[in-house]
Amino acid sequence: AQSVTQLDSQVPVFEEAPVELRCNYSSSVSVYLFWYVQYPNQGLQLLLKYLSGSTLVKGINGFEAEFNKSQTSFHLRKPSVHISDTAEYFCAAVAGGYQKVTFGTGTKLQVIP
Amino acid sequence: DAGVTQSPTHLIKTRGQQVTLRCSPKSGHDTVSWYQQALGQGPQFIFQYYEEEERQRGNFPDRFSGHQFPNYSSELNVNALLLGDSALYLCASSLVGSAETQYFGPGTRLLVL
Repeated sequence: AQSVTQLDSQVPVFEEAPVELRCNYSSSVSVYLFWYVQYPNQGLQLLLKYLSGSTLVKGINGFEAEFNKSQTSFHLRKPSVHISDTAEYFCAAVAGGYQKVTFGTGTKLQVIP
Repeated sequence: DAGVTQSPTHLIKTRGQQVTLRCSPKSGHDTVSWYQQALGQGPQFIFQYYEEEERQRGNFPDRFSGHQFPNYSSELNVNALLLGDSALYLCASSLVGSAETQYFGPGTRLLVL
């Protein structure tokens, strides 16, 4: 079985400051990892995904994430946030060979003007 | 190219009633998964359909059932509604065996009174 842990439920950050949203996973098999963003009253939008290859993954809206197998982490980063980045962010994992996506509990990013 | 669509967008029901939610997958996708997202939580996997059969199921009671049609669209049925069934219900489509291709719809928000 796999699990995903998002260590921070809320992260306030000033506009134009950098941000890191933390995600750890556990799985007995290889996994695919994802970050999704959810704006209020909307569905999920894929930010980026790690399947294999380079451990640094670049996504939309200037976000990137780094897969660290030894630390079982997949933290999301952005060097300079904007007001429009205010949303909830979900880390997710899929174990190889299965299609059930396991989500973390989410991190609410609040960008302060 | 239309993405994943869901109907209705909002729904209000009373306890004990039954509800049917609908999902049309992204063009070219053949697999549909359903998720329940309670307020303040991450999405939880309900089940997945491929070739008109339920292939995987999460930890949900039998009150939750589904169907997939030959055109790959899908329905989620919930019987004997409880207050705790109030949530955003998300549909995701993908190609079989390719969870990395998963796209989410905007969701149906169900309120049970």
